[in-house]
Amino acid sequence: NAGVTQTPKFQVLKTGQSMTLQCAQDMNHNSMYWYRQDPGMGLRLIYYSASEGTTDKGEVPNGYNVSRLNKREFSLRLESAAPSQTSVYFCASSERTSGSNEQFFGPGTRLTVL
Amino acid sequence: GNSVTQMEGPVTLSEEAFLTINCTYTATGYPSLFWYVQYPGEGLQLLLKATKADDKGSNKGFEATYRKETTSFHLEKGSVQVSDSAVYFCALRNNQGGKLIFGQGTELSVKP
Repeated sequence: NAGVTQTPKFQVLKTGQSMTLQCAQDMNHNSMYWYRQDPGMGLRLIYYSASEGTTDKGEVPNGYNVSRLNKREFSLRLESAAPSQTSVYFCASSERTSGSNEQFFGPGTRLTVL
Repeated sequence: GNSVTQMEGPVTLSEEAFLTINCTYTATGYPSLFWYVQYPGEGLQLLLKATKADDKGSNKGFEATYRKETTSFHLEKGSVQVSDSAVYFCALRNNQGGKLIFGQGTELSVKP
């Protein structure tokens, strides 16, 4: 099992460009998440999908859109990248959103917006 | 609202030293508590968890006890190794289905 995979690993964009970050999991999990990690701020939730066909905003959704393509895949799109979106992006999945369910994380995408 | 506060890093220790990383939380209800670890260049991995008051989570020599009276979940290890060098995140989730809330992370560096 590969767990949670993310592509690309690194990306450099110019301000205003768009891109999609891809995430897939092979654990048959219902719930998937996108986080961003910034120095001194821990991880902040951007969007999540509690189950296939649903998506909800997290703590910092502005400037992003998501698509839960199927049970395995959950993509994050930046329509018009800004320097403030320079960050490391992590995708995660879990069996459910509630209680003590463990979240499994991908290796991350390091994005730089110039 | 729910929040998690961790001691600031970086923490630098010599091999075989005792480790404590403090974590306190604010939450409504009875959250589950977690410690995640992030090794250099990797994603986060669950290290241990506790789901109710007085539970002790343990893994790889690390321990943390869910203390409701002090709203704390401090991470401890009796003898650290160089391979423990990583960033450690404390987190909570409300058992009514809330989101996972992370602390800011504490970087640990262990020197030989």
